[in-house]
Amino acid sequence: ILNVEQSPQSLHVQEGDSTNFTCSFPSSNFYALHWYRWETAKSPEALFVMTLNGDEKKKGRISATLNTKEGYSYLYIKGSQPEDSATYLCASLSNDYKLSFGAGTTVTVRA
Amino acid sequence: NAGVTQTPKFQVLKTGQSMTLQCAQDMNHEYMSWYRQDPGMGLRLIHYSVGAGITDQGEVPNGYNVSRSTTEDFPLRLLSAAPSQTSVYFCASSYSALMGYEQYFGPGTRLTVT
Repeated sequence: ILNVEQSPQSLHVQEGDSTNFTCSFPSSNFYALHWYRWETAKSPEALFVMTLNGDEKKKGRISATLNTKEGYSYLYIKGSQPEDSATYLCASLSNDYKLSFGAGTTVTVRA
Repeated sequence: NAGVTQTPKFQVLKTGQSMTLQCAQDMNHEYMSWYRQDPGMGLRLIHYSVGAGITDQGEVPNGYNVSRSTTEDFPLRLLSAAPSQTSVYFCASSYSALMGYEQYFGPGTRLTVT
């Protein structure tokens, strides 16, 4: 049983549209929330690491927010492009140094 | 920097055989970890280390051993391979286990146990 949950499991987006998806995690013993991008046949690559309630981070057209009190984070993709197609993983770091991953949201951008 | 390296890339084992998956990093990272990736399960933590000489169990440690004799190396040993250990294994490292440090992943080892 994953205690980090991501929804939806997959989504299809038209090129140029914006989208967002959710990561929920246990708010107790929380240390940090990680987002990774994972392309097929490659290794996961870090997008963001957030630690404070209300944190917002941005990298190009991708941004993320964090709510540690209610235990959720959103990842936003603005103006989706085909190169944004990937699986996006979130992971919660607890205070025992264990990083627990969700199963991921797979994004497919249609041209 | 080579980053995080893993060997081998592919391996086929028979049930009951043992082997060691190698992981090394050249970034002087304190924190290293091993994950297995199975369909629909995300990445599951097997073992981790917060520094040389210190290791601890993750979510799915049974059937695996680790040691951390140097900062650079973190090998994963399969004691007696079972078909349930067929998976893709990723090693990762970060500067520190704490707070805002991202993980860097190796290229993965695809293991099949027959």
